[in-house]
Formats: sequence, structure tokens, C-alpha cells
Amino acid sequence: DAMVIQNPRYQVTQFGKPVTLSCSQTLNHNVMYWYQQKSSQAPKLLFHYYDKDFNNEADTPDNFQSRRPNTSFCFLDIRSPGLGDAAMYLCATSRSGTPYEQYFGPGTRLTVT
Amino acid sequence: GEDVEQSLFLSVREGDSSVINCTYTDSSSTYLYWYKQEPGAGLQLLTYIFSNMDMKQDQRLTVLLNKKDKHLSLRIADTQTGDSAIYFCAEKKNFNKFYFGSGTKLNVKP
Repeated sequence: DAMVIQNPRYQVTQFGKPVTLSCSQTLNHNVMYWYQQKSSQAPKLLFHYYDKDFNNEADTPDNFQSRRPNTSFCFLDIRSPGLGDAAMYLCATSRSGTPYEQYFGPGTRLTVT
Repeated sequence: GEDVEQSLFLSVREGDSSVINCTYTDSSSTYLYWYKQEPGAGLQLLTYIFSNMDMKQDQRLTVLLNKKDKHLSLRIADTQTGDSAIYFCAEKKNFNKFYFGSGTKLNVKP
């Protein structure tokens, strides 16, 4: 089945230790998104790729970076995680054009110790 | 601001109808969506409505859109225990940007 896969599902990192979360998709969608979701809050868009074009949200901290080496893969790098970065990180994909349906992965829950 | 607002909790009995409400922010949003999130899982798209529509029905789901009030609702008919989850509304703004509400936790009692 075509899907969005996130690895790992659970990640524990130490304060200040860089961490990378990965997302892959078999849908061949040209748009990929990273969201941060804290407990009982709305998923918050961090950035997205439209093809190879990177689009950062204005309020996304510089601590967060992303790479998209090809259509299928997208990575979220957190350079120096703080305790406030503990959250669920959701990857999503969509095909450009109406109705812009997004398909979500199961998420990676990040714990910062 | 950019806050999409939803009530936090809704509790219904099995077999009743559930109505989940949402107030969005941008009258120019072209598409509005409802997603379902079960524990430990990602968001699953349930349905969407284009902004030139007032209503959309899809099996047990009915979406109502009031553009004047920027109000969106999701009605689930004959609610089942398997419908227990968190429901998010979302609006699409320009440049592939989506903004989500904080979710309504639906509890269905047997």
C-alpha cells in the first residue's frame, strides 16, 4: 500500500544533542510537510517542500532544519534540542492541485532528556 | 490571528449524532478539511469541502459551511464507539499552507 512512513516512531535524545527524524513516501507526491504537535495542541506547520523548493514558516526556530534529497525522502534535523522541543513530529505529503489532500505519517514522538 | 478554534471535548452516547464545530480565520480559504486522529496514529483525512459549497454529505458524515460566520461543522450520524478519536478541522491558505485547530476529543459511550 502506498503510504507515508516515519522513522523512528519514538526517539529519545539528550538536551543539545543533534537529532534527525526521517520521513519517506511511496505516493510520489511532490509536496512534503513537517508539523510539530504538542500535547492537546494543533499541529503546527514548521516548513514544507514544494518539489525541491523549501518554504520555511516565519516563526519556525533556526534550530530546525530540513533536507529533501529526492522526491521520496524528507528529513527533519534539530540541531540543539531543548526541552521545549519535545513533541510529536508529523510528516505529511500532498499532490499539488485541488483538493490538496494531505496524507500523514504516524508521527515520531521526540523526548528530550 | 491565525487560530482555528474548536471546543476541546464532546461526549455522546452510541447511536446518537455528534456535531463538532470549528471557527476558522480566513474568509478566502479555498478548502476546509476534517481529520481524525486515533491514539498513536497520524491524522487521517475524513472529508473536505470547497468554499463555494454550503454542505457536503459522505455516508454518515455531513459537513456544513457558513462562510459569512467562518463556521464549519462536522456531523456524524449514528455515532459508534469506533468513532472515538480527536477530530481536527483545518483550513488551506495560500501557498500550500494548512492551519489546524487544536482538536475536539470525541468520547462515545456505549
